[in-house]
Amino acid sequence: DQQVKQNSPSLSVQEGRISILNCDYTNSMFDYFLWYKKYPAEGPTFLISISSIKDKNEDGRFTVFLNKSAKHLSLHIVPSQPGDSAVYFCAATSYDKVIFGPGTSLSVIP
Amino acid sequence: NAGVTQTPKFQVLKTGQSMTLQCAQDMNHEYMSWYRQDPGMGLRLIHYSVGAGITDQGEVPNGYNVSRSTTEDFPLRLLSAAPSQTSVYFCASSYGGQLGEKLFFGSGTQLSVL
Repeated sequence: DQQVKQNSPSLSVQEGRISILNCDYTNSMFDYFLWYKKYPAEGPTFLISISSIKDKNEDGRFTVFLNKSAKHLSLHIVPSQPGDSAVYFCAATSYDKVIFGPGTSLSVIP
Repeated sequence: NAGVTQTPKFQVLKTGQSMTLQCAQDMNHEYMSWYRQDPGMGLRLIHYSVGAGITDQGEVPNGYNVSRSTTEDFPLRLLSAAPSQTSVYFCASSYGGQLGEKLFFGSGTQLSVL
């Protein structure tokens, strides 16, 4: 039973447009959420995070939104750039637990 | 700035063989952890350590051992490799806080068990 789901395995977006990646979780004990980005043959890199006490966090072109009642978070990338093409993993954590989603492969088309 | 260094990058084992995946970090991070990534699945936590001398099990610990004798090193041992352990393994470190929080990952080890 997947506790963290990313229901879109892949997404294609035109350069300059908005990319929206979605993530759903089932365990209400999770209180901190992160997005990681992964290029082929490299380890994931941390992108942005959000605490459960907030509903939005921004960092440049990246914004994460959290809807606790729906157990849903999303990552918005505006504007999308070709260098954003990668696999994006969401992760949900509590103090002693971390669960990653299966990832969404984003392709930004020039 | 080496960050998190994993060796080897690739390894092929026969069923029943043992080996150690090495992981070292030079950022003086307290937390270190090992993950495996399989197709269609997210990274799954194998073992983690919150400081030298302290280790604990993650989500999928069976078949793996760890120890943490220094802050810098966190090796992962496969005692008797099985085909189900074919995967890509990532080591990560972080300052602390919650598991999974702001991890710095190594570049991974691709392991095949025949």
